[in-house]
Amino acid sequence: ETGVTQTPRHLVMGMTNKKSLKCEQHLGHNAMYWYKQSAKKPLELMFVYSLEERVENNSVPSRFSPECPNSSHLFLHLHTLQPEDSALYLCASSLNSGGQNTGELFFGEGSRLTVL
Amino acid sequence: KQEVTQIPAALSVPEGENLVLNCSFTDSAIYNLQWFRQDPGKGLTSLLLIQSSQREQTSGRLNASLDKSSGRSTLYIAASQPGDSATYLCAARGGSNYKLTFGKGTLLTVNP
Repeated sequence: ETGVTQTPRHLVMGMTNKKSLKCEQHLGHNAMYWYKQSAKKPLELMFVYSLEERVENNSVPSRFSPECPNSSHLFLHLHTLQPEDSALYLCASSLNSGGQNTGELFFGEGSRLTVL
Repeated sequence: KQEVTQIPAALSVPEGENLVLNCSFTDSAIYNLQWFRQDPGKGLTSLLLIQSSQREQTSGRLNASLDKSSGRSTLYIAASQPGDSATYLCAARGGSNYKLTFGKGTLLTVNP
């Protein structure tokens, strides 16, 4: 496989459920990202991991919990979500140099989340 | 705080037409600017990346230009085809943490 792969592609969950989104990149990149895309709004950056360390957390509610066990895998753990959290969640990766967040971004196909 | 605006929000053209999509950004101190394409319900596909030291980049029928001083970038699509129909997004990278700021996109429809 090549590129950035996200699973599941679609997820429906109740507000009391716990689920996880998974992202895997096969590009040899050293940084991974979670973005949220809601209707009529620009993409919102949620988390950034560089060399497996979280370097950015954009005031995201604690019901979203990221995990980056290695440079190729990224998870987003979900618990007690709200209906307004329904959105397309996009994972991306890049090859950054010099510790700077500057590389070209490559995205996965996204996970469409619906919270009932 | 960087803000990115894309005009128009939607554009419909007949097949074969050449077209220009516009992107403007408020903070000219950018590191690079990236253009993406997004098909409905799908992820983003990178089209072109322009470094701040460059004026333009070309890939096939696509040409992107960058004018940092005026805070503008354009994406030129030559000889448009129905398969070009998608939402096109631009994103400017800059700031102290090199954050990527996205516009809301332009929805392009190319009619056969």
